[in-house]
Amino acid sequence: SAVISQKPSRDICQRGTSLTIQCQVDSQVTMMFWYRQQPGQSLTLIATANQGSEATYESGFVIDKFPISRPNLTFSTLTVSNMSPEDSSIYLCSVHDRGPYYEQYFGPGTRLTVT
Amino acid sequence: QKEVEQNSGPLSVPEGAIASLNCTYSDRGSQSFFWYRQYSGKSPELIMFIYSNGDKEDGRFTAQLNKASQYVSLLIRDSQPSDSATYLCAVYTGGFKTIFGAGTRLFVKA
Repeated sequence: SAVISQKPSRDICQRGTSLTIQCQVDSQVTMMFWYRQQPGQSLTLIATANQGSEATYESGFVIDKFPISRPNLTFSTLTVSNMSPEDSSIYLCSVHDRGPYYEQYFGPGTRLTVT
Repeated sequence: QKEVEQNSGPLSVPEGAIASLNCTYSDRGSQSFFWYRQYSGKSPELIMFIYSNGDKEDGRFTAQLNKASQYVSLLIRDSQPSDSATYLCAVYTGGFKTIFGAGTRLFVKA
């Protein structure tokens, strides 16, 4: 299975600022996914990032707030812009394995607190 | 809208018992089915996947799939306190889309 790392692992930010989260995979993958998980809640998909094309955003998420880059097949970034306390959450990067069953693997997550 | 439903729990079982976790899904075209374990403060970890009707066993874990009933379950035999976690059911519906359930919290009492 793919090994995924994320940076930073956690951060405390002031409202109005932006934070860029990095996701690195140890193998080439086509699709990368960014999720948000608020305390005690399930996963919410923010967007899907395919190398070489614009990210596809889910309902309720917009590019101006969550710009995503996908410069190559092993790396992606998610920026949380103009943060408010409501953005406090865990942000998770995920990838599909190369196998035929589309199992997903998750990075360790970035715990963001906005004050 | 495609959905995956799980009982939120908590499900409490004594150590050594069998824990049974259940999940239903709405999309009959779903192709692959997954169970993730998530410890508090950690990211989800894939523990089982199944894609054909019947049972799939891996150690103490058994995944069961019934496509006619749109039902997938996870059995944990000889439950241990270390199994206490939230278990997420997930369904791959095609088009690079995986739908996650809200999760069932499991407590295994020593």
